Amino acid sequence: GAVVSQHPSWVICKSGTSVKIECRSLDFQATTMFWYRQFPKQSLMLMATSNEGSKATYEQGVEKDKFLINHASLTLSTLTVTSAHPEDSSFYICSARQVNTEAFFGQGTRLTVV
Amino acid sequence: AQSVTQPDIHITVSEGASLELRCNYSYGATPYLFWYVQSPGQGLQLLLKYFSGDTLVQGIKGFEAEFKRSQSSFNLRKPSVHWSDAAEYFCAVGAGSTLGRLYFGRGTQLTVWP
Repeated sequence: GAVVSQHPSWVICKSGTSVKIECRSLDFQATTMFWYRQFPKQSLMLMATSNEGSKATYEQGVEKDKFLINHASLTLSTLTVTSAHPEDSSFYICSARQVNTEAFFGQGTRLTVV
Repeated sequence: AQSVTQPDIHITVSEGASLELRCNYSYGATPYLFWYVQSPGQGLQLLLKYFSGDTLVQGIKGFEAEFKRSQSSFNLRKPSVHWSDAAEYFCAVGAGSTLGRLYFGRGTQLTVWP
């Protein structure tokens, strides 16, 4: 149980375009989902916290208009990188949790902007 | 503010040798502590967690960790390392009641010599 799936696993997009990453909880209802960003050979940085049906809460320094997060249902959250640029290239990982449990991580999405 | 320090960026051990990965945290209240392992290009796998109770926690793959409040530490140990343990290891602290909102250390890369 407690499986979190991300799609796609990797994506290449052209500079200036937008790309959407999906995070799904497959066998539980995720009241809260989290989005992290990981630069090569570095740690994971929390970007935002999203609760189903509410606006996401962004960490300091994360551009809300650049990284749009939607958590429209209890099993799906999406991260849209708008007007992507090469500096947005990174590994993005989501996690999801139910009430009173720890979070479970997806397998990550490698984004390359060319 | 919460923070996690993993002082060792890279550790190399011989197969069969014992292992200890260090983790120190800074957090004002009782922390929720985690160790994760990440293989290249993959998501995170939870090795073990500490919420409360017994300060020596057992995890998967033969790992254990000990919470020492006086030292603000949560070091990960394994008595005999296997070649398959080579990976990146992350220590994380959970903030307050939001268990999934995690702050990660920089990670320790483990290399295992045959």
